[in-house]
Amino acid sequence: AQSVTQLDSHVSVSEGTPVLLRCNYSSSYSPSLFWYVQHPNKGLQLLLKYTSAATLVKGINGFEAEFKKSETSFHLTKPSAHMSDAAEYFCVVSEIGGYNKLIFGAGTRLAVHP
Amino acid sequence: EPEVTQTPSHQVTQMGQEVILRCVPISNHLYFYWYRQILGQKVEFLVSFYNNEISEKSEIFDDQFSVERPDGSNFTLKIRSTKLEDSAMYFCASSEGEGATRETQYFGPGTRLLVL
Repeated sequence: AQSVTQLDSHVSVSEGTPVLLRCNYSSSYSPSLFWYVQHPNKGLQLLLKYTSAATLVKGINGFEAEFKKSETSFHLTKPSAHMSDAAEYFCVVSEIGGYNKLIFGAGTRLAVHP
Repeated sequence: EPEVTQTPSHQVTQMGQEVILRCVPISNHLYFYWYRQILGQKVEFLVSFYNNEISEKSEIFDDQFSVERPDGSNFTLKIRSTKLEDSAMYFCASSEGEGATRETQYFGPGTRLLVL
């Protein structure tokens, strides 16, 4: 069965410093992977997706993620954090076959300090 | 930019009551989904819907739950007799079509349901 593990439940950074949110996946096949962000009292917004094209995926708001098959990882990064990046981030895998139900990680809460 | 909308944003109900959560998916999308997130837990899949029928459902989606697309725009989730453990944030999502576009799901802001 497919699954994702987000290695940190909370990450705290200073404004202007790099962000790294870690995600490992488990899948027998080459998966489709996503990062979604949830700001307080808002819905889930798609940040970026990997669907077996380029392994380095660029998303919105300066975020990017690199698919590393050898490490079964899909970590999310941003060179310089902004206060508005404070939110909960979800690593998500799309189930192979069927009707593409999404399987969510537990989420990482990102805090950005001045 | 088109977006998925959900109403109400918050709903409080008494145990045993019926609730209907409403969603308006993005207009040209063909696949519709409900997910829920119990406080402190993962977002979990409930059901997917395509061509006016359920295409897949999880173990959570028992006989107390039903979905419907009553007209060309709305997509509803009904819980017939709510239980305390149904308290959660319910998210509606939709996706466009075949292949990669079907995989990319766009989510609404959620309905927070509280069962007392």
